[in-house]
Amino acid sequence: EPEVTQTPSHQVTQMGQEVILRCVPISNHLYFYWYRQILGQKVEFLVSFYNNEISEKSEIFDDQFSVERPDGSNFTLKIRSTKLEDSAMYFCASSDFRGKETQYFGPGTRLLVL
Amino acid sequence: GNSVTQMEGPVTLSEEAFLTINCTYTATGYPSLFWYVQYPGEGLQLLLKATKADDKGSNKGFEATYRKETTSFHLEKGSVQVSDSAVYFCALSNSGAGSYQLTFGKGTKLSVIP
Repeated sequence: EPEVTQTPSHQVTQMGQEVILRCVPISNHLYFYWYRQILGQKVEFLVSFYNNEISEKSEIFDDQFSVERPDGSNFTLKIRSTKLEDSAMYFCASSDFRGKETQYFGPGTRLLVL
Repeated sequence: GNSVTQMEGPVTLSEEAFLTINCTYTATGYPSLFWYVQYPGEGLQLLLKATKADDKGSNKGFEATYRKETTSFHLEKGSVQVSDSAVYFCALSNSGAGSYQLTFGKGTKLSVIP
């Protein structure tokens, strides 16, 4: 069964450093999402992406964040200058069309900012 | 805006007990409703969904009925197993209002003891 994959599974970085989180969505999906879950808290939407542009973004997704689909398979989330409060589990998701279809989630990348 | 409220956990049940996890929502229009499950150390997996009023989603013995009149989507299972121990998230998407992001509740941790 097709699945969303994410790399790395864990990343530790120093405050102020740039990190890139990578995702490979399900191959025939067209809509891509990033969410995060700070330890013990709810899953929060960051951004959605379709047709090589951002469809929606939350207040969390400020200028420190960017997304890109550099090729036909990868979808990346970049944090330019990490802060301690960026420590969280980051989930990528994809769906085959918008609206009422299901989003399929990857296993997540646990980011720890020291 | 959209919001999801689910019962506070943790919930501890004995094996074969009946499970109910309450979920209510606030949204304009006709959202789609979901239950996701997160097993320890893993990502989010779709458990079930319902896309219109009075629809019943079901999977692995779990059920939830979309009740528009009470804006609820309570999760039930008649006989829980130890393997059901996980965190359960209620979520909605509201494409009718122009938003495709998932809005999650805080999650309810379920522990099933033998």
